[in-house]
Amino acid sequence: DADVTQTPRNRITKTGKRIMLECSQTKGHDRMYWYRQDPGLGLRLIYYSFDVKDINKGEISDGYSVSRQAQAKFSLSLESAIPNQTALYFCATSDSTDTGELFFGEGSRLTVL
Amino acid sequence: GQNIDQPTEMTATEGAIVQINCTYQTSGFNGLFWYQQHAGEAPTFLSYNVLDGLEEKGRFSSFLSRSKGYSYLLLKELQMKDSASYLCAVMDSNYQLIWGAGTKLIIKP
Repeated sequence: DADVTQTPRNRITKTGKRIMLECSQTKGHDRMYWYRQDPGLGLRLIYYSFDVKDINKGEISDGYSVSRQAQAKFSLSLESAIPNQTALYFCATSDSTDTGELFFGEGSRLTVL
Repeated sequence: GQNIDQPTEMTATEGAIVQINCTYQTSGFNGLFWYQQHAGEAPTFLSYNVLDGLEEKGRFSSFLSRSKGYSYLLLKELQMKDSASYLCAVMDSNYQLIWGAGTKLIIKP
């Protein structure tokens, strides 16, 4: 089983719908991240959390919200999806005592029609 | 602004050596990472450099020059499975990762 699990892996939805992407990890890491990846662009940070009570906006947080339900769970929500949110989304974790190496989930491909 | 530059695409031959360059301009520096990403899959960690010099790990090596804002990833004895994108990322003074767009490496037989 993967150490960082994302659900759903693929989702097609319509403009205006609310979508939640979920991430859970068994690595025991305190830090969790949500990134999006678009063709030709680098990974862009949406939100990150250094512990359950710490939530921070990343580079592109507009249109997104997150919830850190437990150390092992970090969810990303799109309150009202729009087509330019079509992308590949990655959850990642890291250990605050380490170099900062990220461990990624398998990705969630979201298509907004 | 902060910027990471790496070539968009490179082609190399199976069994050969390839060097993928990365130049960066960031607010501070707390380390440079290389990740490998196969198409449609998650990035996986390859290497980490925080001091100048060469880090060798099997067929892969990574070099860093902080004064030049420059790194390269060297892949030896290329195999078909090395066909992937290679992502360069720098950790800035706020311990945030700044990512390059990635270099797509195509290996030909």
